[in-house]
Amino acid sequence: EIVLTQSPGTLSLSPGERATLSCRASQSVSGSYLAWYQQKPGQAPRLLIYGASSGATGIPDRFSGSGSGTDFTLAISRLEPEDFAVYFCQQYGSSPLTFGGGTKVEIK
Amino acid sequence: EVQLVQSGAEVKKPGESLKISCKGSGYSFTSYWIGWVRQMPGQGLEWVAIIYPDDSDTRYSPSFQGQVTISADKSISTAYLQWGSLKASDTAMYYCARGLGVTAPRHFDYWGQGTLVTVSS
Repeated sequence: EIVLTQSPGTLSLSPGERATLSCRASQSVSGSYLAWYQQKPGQAPRLLIYGASSGATGIPDRFSGSGSGTDFTLAISRLEPEDFAVYFCQQYGSSPLTFGGGTKVEIK
Repeated sequence: EVQLVQSGAEVKKPGESLKISCKGSGYSFTSYWIGWVRQMPGQGLEWVAIIYPDDSDTRYSPSFQGQVTISADKSISTAYLQWGSLKASDTAMYYCARGLGVTAPRHFDYWGQGTLVTVSS
């Protein structure tokens, strides 16, 4: 099973700042099959990025993903008030599907 | 518009059985996977199981194998997750989600609103 470790656990930033979130895999993720989700309190997760770097439908271009192998990054270029949330990565390169523990982006 | 609508919150006692549902609409139900994801209170996401309704190809997370059963009725575009004997540790929010991929499930592009399952004596 591939274990995904997200860091930091919490990121305290101000609106307008850049956020950089990390997702590290315990072994190489086949095909860069990695997705990122955003979850706000009381809501279901929302798909942001798939295939490590492809934006999902309707996602603002301030969200970008990069990486391959075992190291992946989600970047938010300029934080908007609605971006403060929890972010999860998920790998689907091998079974079982696994999620990272999440990074909370909070207002500083 | 793609929608996944889940059944309502449940309160059960340990040892009871339960079946929750997820109805898909706005797309071809048999052309996508439907998966279930658990989120325990204040915790992260855990993949439980997934099914391809067209041929009932079913996959389980090793952590949940034998604990739950996933099924689907393509005639009514509905997927299910069921327990034979609930435990207090099954208390969580359960989300269904549409999975992309053909030969194997990939990421999830649409999610249901969640079903809160509470197991308490």
